[in-house]
Amino acid sequence: DTGVSQDPRHKITKRGQNVTFRCDPISEHNRLYWYRQTLGQGPEFLTYFQNEAQLEKSRLLSDRFSAERPKGSFSTLEIQRTEQGDSAMYLCASSPTSGRAYEQFFGPGTRLTVL
Amino acid sequence: AQSVTQLGSHVSVSEGALVLLRCNYSSSVPPYLFWYVQYPNQGLQLLLKYTTGATLVKGINGFEAEFKKSETSFHLTKPSAHMSDAAEYFCAVSDTGKLIFGQGTELSVKP
Repeated sequence: DTGVSQDPRHKITKRGQNVTFRCDPISEHNRLYWYRQTLGQGPEFLTYFQNEAQLEKSRLLSDRFSAERPKGSFSTLEIQRTEQGDSAMYLCASSPTSGRAYEQFFGPGTRLTVL
Repeated sequence: AQSVTQLGSHVSVSEGALVLLRCNYSSSVPPYLFWYVQYPNQGLQLLLKYTTGATLVKGINGFEAEFKKSETSFHLTKPSAHMSDAAEYFCAVSDTGKLIFGQGTELSVKP
């Protein structure tokens, strides 16, 4: 039984570059969430999908951020024209839609450093 | 809007001592409450959750938490701390599916 996986685990980029992260949820989970965590803070919600539909986006998700889940399986989070303030851990989580619907299983995260 | 406040960004206990991590929440609907633990450079792992029913919830690794509606609290306890409990702990409330997290409490365990 594999958990949630994220790739890459670490990404260092220069300001102004675009980056893309991938998340593979637990296979039978329909909901997929993205969170951002800065040093010393709790995770902050960014967006979530129910299958391929993006149902909610946080105001934290500026127009430089875009997320997709094209076939209702894996998801990508892209940041365009990165800024130093984008440096953070990006966490992905998934959950089923019935039963323990409100329990989320987290991946190990992608740590982004913008120089 | 729902919110979570964790009192104390850092708690230090001796090995074998009681662990008490405080969490207060604000919610306009009956809350679903969670405690997660995060070890360095890792994702979050669920310790326990409260949805409905019994207000004293038991989780993994000997942790438990009690939901007190009158106090809007969901404090996390463990009778006897172990060195392996040193980590960051997050309290969260579920809001239409997404989680709203507190700021976190770093637990240190002294030998």
